[in-house]
Amino acid sequence: DAMVIQNPRYQVTQFGKPVTLSCSQTLNHNVMYWYQQKSSQAPKLLFHYYDKDFNNEADTPDNFQSRRPNTSFCFLDIRSPGLGDAAMYLCATSRDQGETQYFGPGTRLLVL
Amino acid sequence: AQTVTQSQPEMSVQEAETVTLSCTYDTSESDYYLFWYKQPPSRQMILVIRQEAYKQQNATENRFSVNFQKAAKSFSLKISDSQLGDAAMYFCAYTERGAQKLVFGQGTRLTINP
Repeated sequence: DAMVIQNPRYQVTQFGKPVTLSCSQTLNHNVMYWYQQKSSQAPKLLFHYYDKDFNNEADTPDNFQSRRPNTSFCFLDIRSPGLGDAAMYLCATSRDQGETQYFGPGTRLLVL
Repeated sequence: AQTVTQSQPEMSVQEAETVTLSCTYDTSESDYYLFWYKQPPSRQMILVIRQEAYKQQNATENRFSVNFQKAAKSFSLKISDSQLGDAAMYFCAYTERGAQKLVFGQGTRLTINP
């Protein structure tokens, strides 16, 4: 089945230690999104790629970066995680901008 | 800016009964999409149902249906014959054709009582 895959499902890191979360998709969608979701809140968009074009949200901290080396994969890099970055990170894809988004299972990040 | 409002932070329903979750939105656009997503505890966000604004007919997916009132900018979700597996956080969301963002409501936590 076509799907959005996120690895790892759980990630523990130390304060200030860089961490990378990965997302892959078999849907061949043009757009890939990264969201941060804190407990009982709606997801907050960090950035997205339309093909190779990177689009950063204005309020996304510089600490968060992303890479999309090819259509299938997208990475979220947190350069110096703080305690406030502990959250669920959701990857989503859509065929085009403004179309239905399909979400991966998420990676829960814990910062010690 | 477009906004989505879910006025019910929590709802509960008896198993096998019907429940309706409310959602209102604000936009000046005419070509847009509305969604209901379901997110069970510690589990994946799943698309429940989607409505295209230019379609007058309300979308249905098995036990899930919507009441789309375009003039009133209302988009409620009805769950019939509620099941224990329906327990989740439900998010109403909005986007426009070609838009970069999906605008979410605050979410409604639905509890199913056996």
